[in-house]
Amino acid sequence: AQSVTQPDIHITVSEGASLELRCNYSYGATPYLFWYVQSPGQGLQLLLKYFSGDTLVQGIKGFEAEFKRSQSSFNLRKPSVHWSDAAEYFCAVGPRGSARQLTFGSGTQLTVLP
Amino acid sequence: DAMVIQNPRYQVTQFGKPVTLSCSQTLNHNVMYWYQQKSSQAPKLLFHYYDKDFNNEADTPDNFQSRRPNTSFCFLDIRSPGLGDAAMYLCATSRGTGGSEAFFGQGTRLTVV
Repeated sequence: AQSVTQPDIHITVSEGASLELRCNYSYGATPYLFWYVQSPGQGLQLLLKYFSGDTLVQGIKGFEAEFKRSQSSFNLRKPSVHWSDAAEYFCAVGPRGSARQLTFGSGTQLTVLP
Repeated sequence: DAMVIQNPRYQVTQFGKPVTLSCSQTLNHNVMYWYQQKSSQAPKLLFHYYDKDFNNEADTPDNFQSRRPNTSFCFLDIRSPGLGDAAMYLCATSRGTGGSEAFFGQGTRLTVV
């Protein structure tokens, strides 16, 4: 069965600092990989996704993520965090050939200090 | 230009009183999902429709039902809400083909009193 681990429950960074959120997955083959962001009381918004090709993917709001097959990881990064980035971030995996089911990680809550 | 719309945003219901949450989409996607998300937890898939084909997750309680009368609308019915059903309920859609991401609505926050 596929699973997603986000080892950091809560991360605090200062505005302007760099950010890396970790995501590890367990799956029999290379799945589709996603990062979503959720602001308080809101739904989930897609930041970026990896299907194939270049292992460094660019997303919205200045985020990027790198797929590393050897480490089964898909870490999210941003060079300079803005106060508006404070939110919950979810990594998710989905099986190839079907988008019917996503498995989400437990999320990382990001706090941004002024 | 909202694409997945959930109504209402906030719903208060009494313990044991049936409640229905609604979701509509303007994307013409084949798949519609219902997720339950409790505080500080990941969304948990309850069920999904691929067109008219209903797919229930094995651990979804019988108390939860769903209807999809047409492509655009999908409803979540909770027959007898308990205190443990208080949560955010998220509707999502996708094309259903390989690699298509899910688009989420803003959610309905359900409170059971």
